[in-house]
Amino acid sequence: QVQLQQWGAGLLKPSETLSLSCAVYGGSFSGYYWSWIRQPPGKGLEWIGEINHSGSTNYNPSLKSRVTISVDTSKKQFYLRMSSVTAADTAVYHCARGNFLEKGSAFDMWGQGTMVTVSS
Amino acid sequence: EIVLTQSPGTLSLSPGERATLSCRASQSVSSRYLAWYQQKPGQAPRLLIYGASNRATGIPDRFSGSGSGTDFTLTISRLEPEDFAVYFCQQYGSSSYSFGQGTKVDIK
Repeated sequence: QVQLQQWGAGLLKPSETLSLSCAVYGGSFSGYYWSWIRQPPGKGLEWIGEINHSGSTNYNPSLKSRVTISVDTSKKQFYLRMSSVTAADTAVYHCARGNFLEKGSAFDMWGQGTMVTVSS
Repeated sequence: EIVLTQSPGTLSLSPGERATLSCRASQSVSSRYLAWYQQKPGQAPRLLIYGASNRATGIPDRFSGSGSGTDFTLTISRLEPEDFAVYFCQQYGSSSYSFGQGTKVDIK
């Protein structure tokens, strides 16, 4: 039973750096792509970026300049850092597993979500 | 970037009725890379359909997906009370992903 558990600071001031972590329990870490996806309150989903176990990354072009996704394979964890946050970055942030081998590009496992609020 | 447009924005139906949700892409999408999700308030999205027409593990057979190219459809054959939720389509292409804005299925 694969589970993704995420954590990180929930309240930030403008210009600060958002930092979130996601741990994978109960399943393989290699062979998948691991993504961050966010959802502003009452709005749709926006993909932020992904990483695989070897550290290869892809980012949403609209966020690329502010986002870094990293991985620690030994801990089966991956991380999101987003710099210079503004109120527009207020959202629920999810970590998720991309299952290319079995399910194309679909995200078949999700973390519980972390509400991040940016406010002065 | 491929833009996905879902319609209608809201679908008001009664339990037992059939729901047909549309997802239109701004350019052609590989069927292998088209998925549908269900989201209920306060929960993470749940994968329903991948590869345009394949049900994910544990998804009831009243959910079905179809389509190709730029037009895709999610059909719920007979709505159960637990099916009233928001549904998103999602595509992958050129090393990037995008989601539709969602269709809310609510109780009439």
